Amino acid sequence: AQKITQTQPGMFVQEKEAVTLDCTYDTSDPSYGLFWYKQPSSGEMIFLIYQGSYDQQNATEGRYSLNFQKARKSANLVISASQLGDSAMYFCAMREGGSGNTGKLIFGQGTTLQVKP
Amino acid sequence: GAVVSQHPSWVICKSGTSVKIECRSLDFQATTMFWYRQFPKQSLMLMATSNEGSKATYEQGVEKDKFLINHASLTLSTLTVTSAHPEDSSFYICSGSGANYEQYFGPGTRLTVT
Repeated sequence: AQKITQTQPGMFVQEKEAVTLDCTYDTSDPSYGLFWYKQPSSGEMIFLIYQGSYDQQNATEGRYSLNFQKARKSANLVISASQLGDSAMYFCAMREGGSGNTGKLIFGQGTTLQVKP
Repeated sequence: GAVVSQHPSWVICKSGTSVKIECRSLDFQATTMFWYRQFPKQSLMLMATSNEGSKATYEQGVEKDKFLINHASLTLSTLTVTSAHPEDSSFYICSGSGANYEQYFGPGTRLTVT
């Protein structure tokens, strides 16, 4: 069964508008972490934001925020005030186990975001 | 964040030859390193997990005799693609995990087998 699901293969957003990239996950482990990465055409994986399963508040990092809905098992990424440089592929990932676990990351299929001028 | 380098950044080799890719953690000790493979427009697929000084753990479906992984020190892991074939052409990315258990990714190596 797919543990991380990104249902949007591609998204368009107008420059300066906000956009939400969807991510749902499936785990029976009560302790897990959720990550979002950006991968531009150069291929490097850029860490954006992290949400721990026990974190009470939604994570925010500058223009990035994570809409964490634990009961629905969703961890959507919200990018506010989109910029042309935000055009890239975005991956949601999950790590099961506590923070002391050097466990592997499981990645979603990715969403390609294109920002229109 | 911590820095991970990969060398080479791209390589072209002939079918049947072997190619080695290096992954180095430059400013932290990576007790665990991960190797991923990515085809165009697709997600990262974990190939194997390696811990310093021990044998790598390969994911199901990954041939351990074809993709040799060595993690000889806390700052260096290598992936050797043996007897490469055109279907091995892909983007290979490593990541290192240190004391804080965060993963830091290398810039990737693009392998083309002709």
